[in-house]
Amino acid sequence: DVKVTQSSRYLVKRTGEKVFLECVQDMDHENMFWYRQDPGLGLRLIYFSYDVKMKEKGDIPEGYSVSREKKERFSLILESASTNQTSMYLCASSSTGTAGEAFFGQGTRLTVV
Amino acid sequence: RKEVEQDPGPFNVPEGATVAFNCTYSNSASQSFFWYRQDCRKEPKLLMSVYSSGNEDGRFTAQLNRASQYISLLIRDSKLSDSATYLCVVIRAGGFKTIFGAGTRLFVKA
Repeated sequence: DVKVTQSSRYLVKRTGEKVFLECVQDMDHENMFWYRQDPGLGLRLIYFSYDVKMKEKGDIPEGYSVSREKKERFSLILESASTNQTSMYLCASSSTGTAGEAFFGQGTRLTVV
Repeated sequence: RKEVEQDPGPFNVPEGATVAFNCTYSNSASQSFFWYRQDCRKEPKLLMSVYSSGNEDGRFTAQLNRASQYISLLIRDSKLSDSATYLCVVIRAGGFKTIFGAGTRLFVKA
């Protein structure tokens, strides 16, 4: 089974802190994604990566950055956390050959206070 | 305007009913289409791909209308276990950027 693992299920951080969310996949997938999910807004794409050290902005990249130093790991960084970044963050991966079949991690519920 | 739009619902239907969801997309260059299912407090999972000729998987039928830029999902003989949020997914031309709709909530009642 494909496994996508996010480092934390729940996080509480203070405004202004730098926050790291980690995601690891074990299926050698080329593509990795970070989404946030908010009620009524669905999943919104923050950043994605189709190869090591490659990254592309999604629809809402402001306030976020990413890092992909190894194929299996994709990190999301909140440079200076703000309360409007309180959300559920979901990481996903897919193979280029079957790009529509994305596998998700269990999500990280981040609360910024 | 959102790139992928869905009726948020909720759709409340009795067991055994047939229910249909539509999803519209704005980018005519979109190349691949899918339906995902998300159960409460769980991650989304692929339900089925949507092919140009339409496709069926048991009680589920997916259709694509490129001219009108919408896809649909039909569920026949609804079961209690079909209660979930159904997410429409579009991949842009070029291959990788995967865009999700906000989802349609379905409640199937006994």
